Parts: sequence; structure tokens; C-alpha cells
Amino acid sequence: DAGVIQSPRHEVTEMGQEVTLRCKPISGHDYLFWYRQTMMRGLELLIYFNNNVPIDDSGMPEDRFSAKMPNASFSTLKIQPSEPRDSAVYFCASTWEPGTQYFGPGTRLLVL
Amino acid sequence: AQSVAQPEDQVNVAEGNPLTVKCTYSVSGNPYLFWYVQYPNRGLQFLLKYITGDNLVKGSYGFEAEFNKSQTSFHLKKPSALVSDSALYFCAVGYSGAGSYQLTFGKGTKLSVIP
Repeated sequence: DAGVIQSPRHEVTEMGQEVTLRCKPISGHDYLFWYRQTMMRGLELLIYFNNNVPIDDSGMPEDRFSAKMPNASFSTLKIQPSEPRDSAVYFCASTWEPGTQYFGPGTRLLVL
Repeated sequence: AQSVAQPEDQVNVAEGNPLTVKCTYSVSGNPYLFWYVQYPNRGLQFLLKYITGDNLVKGSYGFEAEFNKSQTSFHLKKPSALVSDSALYFCAVGYSGAGSYQLTFGKGTKLSVIP
């Protein structure tokens, strides 16, 4: 099993640009989570899906952030327009059972 | 609401000595408790979990954790630390009920094992 796959691994962009992060969960997992990790705020849950339906998006910081899961094998997190304070590592995780989440390697985003 | 506290930002221990990384939690209902480890430039990896049953839980790489309901704690332990254990450790809590798939993570404790 390839595990959770995220792309790109690194992204450098300029303020105001649109950024799209991608995630492929482990096959058979029906829950998918998006997290953001920074030194200041630690690991924050942004949104999670069950069977492709968003369950809780209360962690999405602003309307500039949006997430979709068009099918069971693909999800995107989009930031439009991006700002320097969005610089962080973004993780995707998936699971089929309570609590034991399987994390991807993360996307390191730098907004200049 | 559920919350997790990891009171130590960093723990230093000599190789071969026992290690403890502390965690306390707050949750309504029965807790699900977890430890995850993060190595540099990697995602979090599951170490162990407590759902129910024996208060002493054994996990990967020789780690174990003890659930203490009266003290609302779930400390991570290992009898003999290795240099390769140096990493960032996260405690997390969920609860049995609606939303049990959603975890709240602590801020993490950096463990440094000194040769």
C-alpha cells in the first residue's frame, strides 16, 4: 500500500496567487482529514470528510480556504488568494476506524 | 469540548535511561486516547491507543502508555531510550460518541535522546 499521497511536496508562491493542494487517501478509507501545522499554532484540523461529504469545516480559517472531495480517491484544499500567513505544512490523513489516522508526508507551503 | 495538554515543550533523556512524555486530557464521556510520533519532514505516525480495557497499553517501538482515569492522564513511557527515539510526540484525544473520528491534538513534546 502506497499510503496517503500528497502533492506537491513543496510549493512556493507569491501573495495573491491561487494554491491547490492534493491528496489521495488510502483505498478503503472513508474518512479524510486536512490539517495545518505551524510552530505557533501546532496541528490544527481544518476540515474532514466522511464518504466524500464534508462533516465539519469549522476549522477552515477564512473564506479564502475551500476543500472538496469529488470522489473517494481524491481531495483538494484550495487557498485563493494566498497570503504570507498561510505559510505552513498542510497534512492530509485518512482512516476507516476511530482515531487511528494515517498521515501523508505533507505539503510545505511558502507564500512570499 | 475536548482538549489535551502536554506540559513539556521538550524532554531530554540520556540513551538507555527510561523516558516519560506527559499528557493530560479533558473530554466529555469516555475518552479515546492516542500517541503519535513525527520525525523531521515527515507526517505523523500512529504509536498506540487506548479505547477500553487494560490501563497499560503497549505500542510500536517498545513504547507504552498508562491510562489513569482519576488523574485524566495518558503518559507515554519507554524503559530504555534510544537515540533514534528523538522526535516530536503528540498526544491526541477523541471520545466515544458522535465525532469519535475527530481528534484533538496536543501541541507536541520534542524528545531528545542524548548519546
